[in-house]
Amino acid sequence: DAGVIQSPRHEVTEMGQEVTLRCKPISGHDYLFWYRQTMMRGLELLIYFNNNVPIDDSGMPEDRFSAKMPNASFSTLKIQPSEPRDSAVYFCASSLYGYNEQFFGPGTRLTVL
Amino acid sequence: DQQVKQNSPSLSVQEGRISILNCDYTNSMFDYFLWYKKYPAEGPTFLISISSIKDKNEDGRFTVFLNKSAKHLSLHIVPSQPGDSAVYFCAANFGNEKLTFGTGTRLTIIP
Repeated sequence: DAGVIQSPRHEVTEMGQEVTLRCKPISGHDYLFWYRQTMMRGLELLIYFNNNVPIDDSGMPEDRFSAKMPNASFSTLKIQPSEPRDSAVYFCASSLYGYNEQFFGPGTRLTVL
Repeated sequence: DQQVKQNSPSLSVQEGRISILNCDYTNSMFDYFLWYKKYPAEGPTFLISISSIKDKNEDGRFTVFLNKSAKHLSLHIVPSQPGDSAVYFCAANFGNEKLTFGTGTRLTIIP
């Protein structure tokens, strides 16, 4: 298996633009997680899905952030409009049962100018 | 508020010696604790875990110790090797899907 795949790996955009991050989980994993990594707060859980259904989005910072999982093999995290404080590394992870080991993708480094 | 804290942002250890990474937590309801390791430009990878019913778990060179009364856990790496240089994240959950991570400790092994 190729592991969790994320695209793009790097994204540089200007403030106010829409940003879409993409994730393909490991086949057969029922849980998908979106995290954001910053120096100050470490890894923060933004939202997670079980069987394509959003379960907990309490970590989504504000309404500018949205996430979807239209099928078992694809998820997106969208920021509209983007702001400089959104600059961070965004990780997607998947797991088989949820409570056990999570497998992380390589991350997307987002820079908002 | 940070429920899982790694108060040492960095640590340097001589190759062959013991590396000890520390983690404190505030919520006594946490049931399961994990350590992840992260290399630059890669996602974190699972290293070792421990349930709250245990106080020690060992896997090769890696041992995690849990002190529930002090709300403290530590990761011991013996002996330390250059390939262990990475950022280590401590994480905890209530036995469910949501992991709460610390801010990480950068470990540098000096040859």
